[in-house]
Amino acid sequence: VQLVESGGGLIQPGGSLRLSCAASGFKFSSYEMNWVRQAPGRGLEWVSYISSSGDFTYYAGSVRGRFTISRDNGNNSLSLQMNSLRVEDTAIYYCARVAYGPTVVPSIGGDYWGQGTLVPVCS
Amino acid sequence: SYVLTQPPSVSAAPGQTARITCEGNNIGSKSVHWYQQKPGQAPVLVIYHDTDRPSGIPERFSGSNSGNTATLIISRVEAGDEADYYCQVWDTNGDHRYVFGIGTKVSVL
Repeated sequence: VQLVESGGGLIQPGGSLRLSCAASGFKFSSYEMNWVRQAPGRGLEWVSYISSSGDFTYYAGSVRGRFTISRDNGNNSLSLQMNSLRVEDTAIYYCARVAYGPTVVPSIGGDYWGQGTLVPVCS
Repeated sequence: SYVLTQPPSVSAAPGQTARITCEGNNIGSKSVHWYQQKPGQAPVLVIYHDTDRPSGIPERFSGSNSGNTATLIISRVEAGDEADYYCQVWDTNGDHRYVFGIGTKVSVL
C-alpha cells in the first residue's frame, strides 16, 4: 500500500489550492478515504471523508463550504480542492485509507497514511 | 462534539511499562484506535478496535477500553518507542466524524 500526496505549497489567504493523493498497492475503488491535517506543533485533525464510490462525502465544520473532496477511481487518485484558504488552514495534509476491522462501521481513520504535503497559508 | 482527553506527556525508563490514557464519555461503548507518530513522519496505526494489533506491530503494544477510559500499554519500553501517541474514535453525532485526542508525548528516560 502506498499513498503519495502532492500539490502543497505556499499560498496567500483567500487563495485556492488542490491537493492530490496517488494510491497504489490496493484496490482503491473498494476503500473509503480521509484527509487529515496537522498544524505545526499540533495534533491530528480530521478534515474530510469520501465513500468508495464517491457518492457520500463529509466535512469538518471548520472547512465545510470551502473544501471539496473527490476521487477518480479510474486513476486511483484522491483530491482535496481548498478554496478561501485561511491562515488557520496551515498544516500538513495527509491522505489516509479508512478501515473497518471486524466491525461494519468505517471507524478506523487511517490504517495507511501518506507522507503528507505541507500547506502554509500566509501573506 | 465528542471529546477525547489525553495527558500531554508520559515517561518511562527502558524496560519499564508506559501507560497512556484516553478519556471520553462512556468511551467503553466505542472502538478506540491508537496511532504512533515519530517526528517528521506520518502516523502509524498501532492498535485498532481497543485491543487488536496490525501486522508488524510488536506484541509489546496492547490496549484496553472500559467505562470512561481507554489505555494504550507499551511493555518493555524501548528507545524507539519515543513518539507522540494519539487515540481516535468514530463519532457520527458531532462535527468531526473521526475524533482524535490531543496526543501524548512518550519519553524514554
